Amino acid sequence: EDQVTQSPEALRLQEGESSSLNCSYTVSGLRGLFWYRQDPGKGPEFLFTLYSAGEEKEKERLKATLTKKESFLHITAPKPEDSATYLCAVEGGATNKLIFGTGTLLAVQP
Amino acid sequence: NAGVTQTPKFQVLKTGQSMTLQCAQDMNHEYMSWYRQDPGMGLRLIHYSVGAGITDQGEVPNGYNVSRSTTEDFPLRLLSAAPSQTSVYFCASSPSDLRGYTFGSGTRLTVV
Repeated sequence: EDQVTQSPEALRLQEGESSSLNCSYTVSGLRGLFWYRQDPGKGPEFLFTLYSAGEEKEKERLKATLTKKESFLHITAPKPEDSATYLCAVEGGATNKLIFGTGTLLAVQP
Repeated sequence: NAGVTQTPKFQVLKTGQSMTLQCAQDMNHEYMSWYRQDPGMGLRLIHYSVGAGITDQGEVPNGYNVSRSTTEDFPLRLLSAAPSQTSVYFCASSPSDLRGYTFGSGTRLTVV
């Protein structure tokens, strides 16, 4: 069964304190791994798609990396506006179904 | 460009009532999906569609029906509401396979 596990469940950082969020997955034949950001009371907002091990993508203070078993979302010198829940999702096998993890709630304090 | 529009934003139903959650997108996206989001359980796929006239079940389809008669619209029908269907429902669309989804702002449904 396809599964996505995110850690930690919650993370509190000081402004400027870099860290990483983890997304580990088990899926038969990964076709894509996705990162989303979700603000309270809103729908998720797409950030990145990674397709194969070794791939990296960057956007402002965020960089996503992918291995055969997990993905990391690195946050460099975060700001309070980076506070949100970050969701990881995978699509694999022969289906078009996107399976989400439960997310990491990030709080960046000024 | 409105993106993905969901209506209503809030709804309270009595057990046994039926209703339709509306979802429309104006981006000419082929792929559309419905998710429910519950605390501690993340987003779970209810039904999805890869094009007009094509639908398939997701992870938690029981108690819900969908149809896709046009590219733009993907309504979700609750047949006989139950308290276990209390949740936040999100509709999402994507231009094709393995592309990021655009999500609507959600419908918060309470079944009493």
